[in-house]
Amino acid sequence: GNSVTQMEGPVTLSEEAFLTINCTYTATGYPSLFWYVQYPGEGLQLLLKATKADDKGSNKGFEATYRKETTSFHLEKGSVQVSDSAVYFCALSDPTSGGFKTIFGAGTRLFVKA
Amino acid sequence: EAQVTQNPRYLITVTGKKLTVTCSQNMNHEYMSWYRQDPGLGLRQIYYSMNVEVTDKGDVPEGYKVSRKEKRNFPLILESPSPNQTSLYFCASSSPGRSSYEQYFGPGTRLTVT
Repeated sequence: GNSVTQMEGPVTLSEEAFLTINCTYTATGYPSLFWYVQYPGEGLQLLLKATKADDKGSNKGFEATYRKETTSFHLEKGSVQVSDSAVYFCALSDPTSGGFKTIFGAGTRLFVKA
Repeated sequence: EAQVTQNPRYLITVTGKKLTVTCSQNMNHEYMSWYRQDPGLGLRQIYYSMNVEVTDKGDVPEGYKVSRKEKRNFPLILESPSPNQTSLYFCASSSPGRSSYEQYFGPGTRLTVT
């Protein structure tokens, strides 16, 4: 079945370090891919998305490229800030359900130290 | 302001005492969903609804009920809660209009069943 696998956390970085959170997926068809972020005590919010192969999603300095050949959607940021400390979820919309069903990875917690 | 609201935000109850968690969205979205979030497991879908009077089971529906009598509301019902339903619950909504199915989440309901 369809699934999303992302690197386990927690990830601990110093401020201004480079961030990569790996995400790979298994899906039939052509899913849309997402990164959601969850700040402490809050619900998830969309960080960025890509709807087709080779698309690059970007927002708030974060980027991820839809790589169909490697079935990956890795999240990157060149210089993290303390305020980026949160849990990050990779997700895909399941094409076999007409796109209504979203499948989430387990989440990766990021801690950024000042 | 476009939003998804959930009530209550926190709830402590005892085994077997029926409860309802409400969810409402003001974005006229067709699709609504309930998830539970547990450490190490990410978000798992409980039930979803594609429109009024149309609901279907997600990945972990046992012990839960839902109804969708109005487009804006999608309550989650636990008729006889048990301790293994202690979790953080999120309601979400989306619309197929943009064809990417990004979801908008409520702030979460933390439920403890003793």
